[in-house]
Amino acid sequence: GAGVSQTPSNKVTEKGKYVELRCDPISGHTALYWYRQSLGQGPEFLIYFQGTGAADDSGLPNDRFFAVRPEGSVSTLKIQRTERGDSAVYLCASSFGGTGEADTQYFGPGTRLTVL
Amino acid sequence: QKEVEQDPGPLSVPEGAIVSLNCTYSNSAFQYFMWYRQYSRKGPELLMYTYSSGNKEDGRFTAQVDKSSKYISLFIRDSQPSDSATYLCAMASYKLSFGAGTTVTVRA
Repeated sequence: GAGVSQTPSNKVTEKGKYVELRCDPISGHTALYWYRQSLGQGPEFLIYFQGTGAADDSGLPNDRFFAVRPEGSVSTLKIQRTERGDSAVYLCASSFGGTGEADTQYFGPGTRLTVL
Repeated sequence: QKEVEQDPGPLSVPEGAIVSLNCTYSNSAFQYFMWYRQYSRKGPELLMYTYSSGNKEDGRFTAQVDKSSKYISLFIRDSQPSDSATYLCAMASYKLSFGAGTTVTVRA
């Protein structure tokens, strides 16, 4: 079946602009995660949704970052007033939302954001 | 100090060699331990999943967890050029905490 998809695959923007990154999780997965991966680093947790609600947003770096999942499926990560330091690959993952191995997270290919 | 520390590498080995990858962690709350493989410009894909101390084998891959030492390892036997990738250890209570990744190159 279809995996996690993310659009766009690449986004180049200018400092100060607003961007939206989209994630389509695997059908039936109730849990959705956003991570950010900088060059040469492992992914870092940003936010976790269980259904429509953000169960844990402790990884969002500041109030310029916001994410929504209004219908419990597609999620959008929104970044306001982008800064050069926001340049990274933004990864989305989804899972069934159970426990243990049943909650394996499946990752999308990521959106590569470049802020000039 | 980061929650998860991973040997930085990079590693370059000849085809057929055993690849050994390691991570240490500091958070006793971690219950699940994983290894992900990430090819260039792709998302991470799950390779191995364990939740208890001991060994788990899957084909050429063996994952080891030692909770008392807070140490996990991944061994790749009979390595192939197609194993060339970045390997990330990850630990979870529910959200994943990743190591920085080790880039492995298997030379034909």
